[in-house]
Amino acid sequence: AQSVSQHNHHVILSEAASLELGCNYSYGGTVNLFWYVQYPGQHLQLLLKYFSGDPLVKGIKGFEAEFIKSKFSFNLRKPSVQWSDTAEYFCAVNAQGRDDKIIFGKGTRLHILP
Amino acid sequence: DADVTQTPRNRITKTGKRIMLECSQTKGHDRMYWYRQDPGLGLRLIYYSFDVKDINKGEISDGYSVSRQAQAKFSLSLESAIPNQTALYFCATSDNRGPQPQHFGDGTRLSIL
Repeated sequence: AQSVSQHNHHVILSEAASLELGCNYSYGGTVNLFWYVQYPGQHLQLLLKYFSGDPLVKGIKGFEAEFIKSKFSFNLRKPSVQWSDTAEYFCAVNAQGRDDKIIFGKGTRLHILP
Repeated sequence: DADVTQTPRNRITKTGKRIMLECSQTKGHDRMYWYRQDPGLGLRLIYYSFDVKDINKGEISDGYSVSRQAQAKFSLSLESAIPNQTALYFCATSDNRGPQPQHFGDGTRLSIL
Protein backbone atom coordinates (compact mmCIF):
# COMPACT_ATOMS: atom_id res chain seq x y z
CA ALA A 1 0.00 0.00 0.00
CA GLN A 2 1.13 3.52 -0.61
CA SER A 3 2.38 5.69 2.24
CA VAL A 4 3.65 9.22 2.70
CA SER A 5 6.41 10.54 4.93
CA GLN A 6 6.90 14.11 5.95
CA HIS A 7 10.16 14.24 7.83
CA ASN A 8 9.87 17.74 9.22
CA HIS A 9 7.24 17.82 11.93
CA HIS A 10 7.77 21.41 12.96
CA VAL A 11 9.63 24.12 11.05
CA ILE A 12 10.33 27.62 12.27
CA LEU A 13 11.54 30.31 9.86
CA SER A 14 11.86 34.05 9.76
CA GLU A 15 9.98 36.10 7.20
CA ALA A 16 11.68 36.26 3.80
CA ALA A 17 13.50 32.98 4.39
CA SER A 18 13.27 30.28 1.73
CA LEU A 19 11.16 27.23 2.47
CA GLU A 20 11.45 23.60 1.51
CA LEU A 21 9.25 20.96 3.11
CA GLY A 22 10.10 17.37 2.41
CA CYS A 23 7.67 14.73 1.23
CA ASN A 24 8.52 11.17 0.25
CA TYR A 25 6.12 8.47 -0.78
CA SER A 26 6.36 4.76 -1.15
CA TYR A 27 4.64 3.20 -4.11
CA GLY A 28 6.22 1.58 -7.13
CA GLY A 29 3.65 2.63 -9.69
CA THR A 30 2.37 5.88 -11.09
CA VAL A 31 1.13 8.38 -8.56
CA ASN A 32 -0.83 11.58 -8.22
CA LEU A 33 0.63 13.94 -5.63
CA PHE A 34 -0.85 16.80 -3.65
CA TRP A 35 -0.02 19.45 -1.10
CA TYR A 36 -2.71 20.85 1.19
CA VAL A 37 -2.51 23.71 3.66
CA GLN A 38 -4.48 24.20 6.85
CA TYR A 39 -4.35 27.70 8.32
CA PRO A 40 -4.99 28.00 12.07
CA GLY A 41 -8.61 27.26 12.84
CA GLN A 42 -9.52 26.60 9.22
CA HIS A 43 -10.17 23.61 7.02
CA LEU A 44 -7.76 22.17 4.50
CA GLN A 45 -7.23 23.81 1.14
CA LEU A 46 -5.55 22.33 -1.91
CA LEU A 47 -2.27 24.14 -2.64
CA LEU A 48 -1.18 22.27 -5.72
CA LYS A 49 -1.34 18.91 -7.44
CA TYR A 50 0.69 16.81 -9.81
CA PHE A 51 -0.88 14.30 -12.17
CA SER A 52 1.56 14.13 -15.10
CA GLY A 53 3.69 16.31 -17.36
CA ASP A 54 6.03 19.01 -16.12
CA PRO A 55 7.41 17.79 -12.79
CA LEU A 56 7.64 21.35 -11.50
CA VAL A 57 4.17 22.34 -10.39
CA LYS A 58 3.13 25.83 -9.44
CA GLY A 59 0.34 26.38 -6.98
CA ILE A 60 -1.42 29.18 -5.23
CA LYS A 61 0.23 31.81 -3.03
CA GLY A 62 3.65 31.45 -4.64
CA PHE A 63 4.18 27.81 -3.70
CA GLU A 64 5.66 25.25 -6.02
CA ALA A 65 6.60 21.59 -5.77
CA GLU A 66 8.92 19.37 -7.74
CA PHE A 67 8.23 15.73 -8.44
CA ILE A 68 11.45 13.71 -8.58
CA LYS A 69 10.47 10.22 -9.55
CA SER A 70 13.87 8.67 -8.88
CA LYS A 71 13.75 9.94 -5.31
CA PHE A 72 10.04 9.28 -4.74
CA SER A 73 9.83 12.87 -3.58
CA PHE A 74 7.49 15.81 -3.97
CA ASN A 75 9.00 18.64 -1.93
CA LEU A 76 7.17 21.90 -1.42
CA ARG A 77 9.06 25.16 -1.90
CA LYS A 78 8.58 28.88 -1.59
CA PRO A 79 11.40 31.35 -2.21
CA SER A 80 10.36 33.89 0.41
CA VAL A 81 7.86 33.10 3.15
CA GLN A 82 5.51 35.51 4.85
CA TRP A 83 4.05 35.52 8.35
CA SER A 84 0.71 34.58 6.79
CA ASP A 85 2.19 31.27 5.62
CA THR A 86 2.07 30.04 9.21
CA ALA A 87 0.01 26.88 8.89
CA GLU A 88 0.16 23.11 8.79
CA TYR A 89 1.07 21.55 5.46
CA PHE A 90 0.09 18.08 4.35
CA CYS A 91 1.49 16.05 1.51
CA ALA A 92 -0.79 13.39 0.01
CA VAL A 93 -0.50 10.61 -2.55
CA ASN A 94 -2.89 8.63 -4.68
CA ALA A 95 -1.91 5.45 -6.52
CA GLN A 96 -3.02 6.04 -10.10
CA GLY A 97 -5.35 3.40 -11.42
CA ARG A 98 -5.34 1.45 -8.21
CA ASP A 99 -8.08 3.17 -6.29
CA ASP A 100 -9.32 6.61 -5.65
CA LYS A 101 -8.12 6.93 -2.08
CA ILE A 102 -5.69 9.60 -1.06
CA ILE A 103 -3.25 8.92 1.75
CA PHE A 104 -2.12 11.95 3.75
CA GLY A 105 1.19 12.49 5.47
CA LYS A 106 1.25 13.41 9.13
CA GLY A 107 1.77 17.08 8.39
CA THR A 108 4.43 19.71 8.94
CA ARG A 109 3.63 22.59 11.21
CA LEU A 110 5.26 25.77 9.84
CA HIS A 111 5.72 28.77 12.07
CA ILE A 112 6.92 32.03 10.53
CA LEU A 113 8.43 34.60 12.85
CA PRO A 114 7.57 38.20 11.98
CA ASP B 1 -22.97 30.17 2.78
CA ALA B 2 -20.31 27.50 3.08
CA ASP B 3 -20.02 24.94 0.29
CA VAL B 4 -19.60 22.11 2.78
CA THR B 5 -21.43 22.38 6.09
CA GLN B 6 -20.81 20.16 9.06
CA THR B 7 -22.99 19.89 12.12
CA PRO B 8 -22.42 20.03 14.99
CA ARG B 9 -19.19 22.05 15.12
CA ASN B 10 -18.39 20.82 18.60
CA ARG B 11 -19.69 17.90 20.62
CA ILE B 12 -18.82 16.48 24.00
CA THR B 13 -20.36 13.17 24.92
CA LYS B 14 -19.87 10.10 27.07
CA THR B 15 -18.48 6.68 26.29
CA GLY B 16 -21.08 4.33 24.88
CA LYS B 17 -23.32 7.00 23.38
CA ARG B 18 -24.40 6.94 19.75
CA ILE B 19 -23.37 10.01 17.83
CA MET B 20 -24.15 11.22 14.35
CA LEU B 21 -22.17 13.85 12.50
CA GLU B 22 -23.88 15.46 9.56
CA CYS B 23 -22.41 16.82 6.36
CA SER B 24 -24.20 18.63 3.57
CA GLN B 25 -22.81 20.24 0.43
CA THR B 26 -23.99 22.67 -2.19
CA LYS B 27 -21.25 21.94 -4.71
CA GLY B 28 -23.23 19.31 -6.57
CA HIS B 29 -20.30 16.93 -6.24
CA ASP B 30 -20.80 13.20 -6.45
CA ARG B 31 -17.88 12.27 -4.20
CA MET B 32 -17.91 12.73 -0.45
CA TYR B 33 -15.43 11.75 2.24
CA TRP B 34 -15.09 11.54 6.00
CA TYR B 35 -11.67 12.03 7.58
CA ARG B 36 -10.47 12.27 11.14
CA GLN B 37 -7.53 14.42 12.13
CA ASP B 38 -5.40 13.67 15.17
CA PRO B 39 -2.39 15.72 16.25
CA GLY B 40 0.76 14.32 14.70
CA LEU B 41 -1.14 11.77 12.62
CA GLY B 42 -2.48 13.91 9.80
CA LEU B 43 -5.76 13.00 8.16
CA ARG B 44 -6.99 9.46 7.94
CA LEU B 45 -9.82 8.38 5.70
CA ILE B 46 -12.78 6.76 7.46
CA TYR B 47 -15.29 6.24 4.65
CA TYR B 48 -15.92 7.60 1.19
CA SER B 49 -18.77 7.58 -1.28
CA PHE B 50 -18.64 8.18 -5.01
CA ASP B 51 -22.39 8.39 -5.44
CA VAL B 52 -25.56 7.71 -3.52
CA LYS B 53 -25.36 3.95 -3.99
CA ASP B 54 -21.63 3.66 -3.43
CA ILE B 55 -20.03 3.41 0.03
CA ASN B 56 -16.43 2.37 0.64
CA LYS B 57 -14.34 1.79 3.72
CA GLY B 58 -11.26 3.88 4.22
CA GLU B 59 -8.19 3.29 6.34
CA ILE B 60 -9.90 3.31 9.73
CA SER B 61 -13.57 2.38 9.35
CA ASP B 62 -13.87 0.15 12.44
CA GLY B 63 -16.28 1.67 14.96
CA TYR B 64 -17.87 3.95 12.36
CA SER B 65 -20.70 3.72 9.87
CA VAL B 66 -21.99 6.10 7.22
CA SER B 67 -25.12 6.87 5.30
CA ARG B 68 -25.40 8.69 1.98
CA GLN B 69 -28.96 9.90 2.16
CA ALA B 70 -28.76 12.00 -0.97
CA GLN B 71 -26.12 13.41 -3.27
CA ALA B 72 -25.79 16.38 -0.96
CA LYS B 73 -25.77 14.57 2.38
CA PHE B 74 -23.30 12.17 3.94
CA SER B 75 -23.52 11.39 7.63
CA LEU B 76 -21.05 9.62 9.90
CA SER B 77 -22.18 7.60 12.92
CA LEU B 78 -20.33 6.32 15.94
CA GLU B 79 -22.56 3.53 17.21
CA SER B 80 -20.96 3.32 20.63
CA ALA B 81 -18.43 6.06 21.14
CA ILE B 82 -15.12 5.38 22.87
CA PRO B 83 -12.50 7.87 24.12
CA ASN B 84 -9.97 7.13 21.36
CA GLN B 85 -12.49 8.43 18.86
CA THR B 86 -11.88 11.88 20.27
CA ALA B 87 -10.65 13.83 17.23
CA LEU B 88 -11.40 16.53 14.71
CA TYR B 89 -13.61 15.17 11.94
CA PHE B 90 -13.73 16.61 8.45
CA CYS B 91 -16.15 16.04 5.63
CA ALA B 92 -14.96 16.75 2.09
CA THR B 93 -16.26 16.62 -1.45
CA SER B 94 -14.84 16.35 -4.92
CA ASP B 95 -16.03 16.20 -8.49
CA ASN B 96 -15.09 13.39 -10.82
CA ARG B 97 -12.02 15.03 -12.29
CA GLY B 98 -9.56 13.53 -9.88
CA PRO B 99 -9.20 11.50 -6.71
CA GLN B 100 -8.42 14.37 -4.42
CA PRO B 101 -10.91 15.92 -2.02
CA GLN B 102 -11.36 19.51 -3.11
CA HIS B 103 -13.65 21.19 -0.62
CA PHE B 104 -13.53 20.60 3.08
CA GLY B 105 -16.00 21.50 5.77
CA ASP B 106 -14.93 23.43 8.85
CA GLY B 107 -14.72 20.30 10.95
CA THR B 108 -16.46 18.82 13.96
CA ARG B 109 -14.48 18.68 17.17
CA LEU B 110 -15.64 15.58 19.02
CA SER B 111 -14.68 14.74 22.58
CA ILE B 112 -15.61 11.41 24.14
CA LEU B 113 -15.35 11.35 27.90
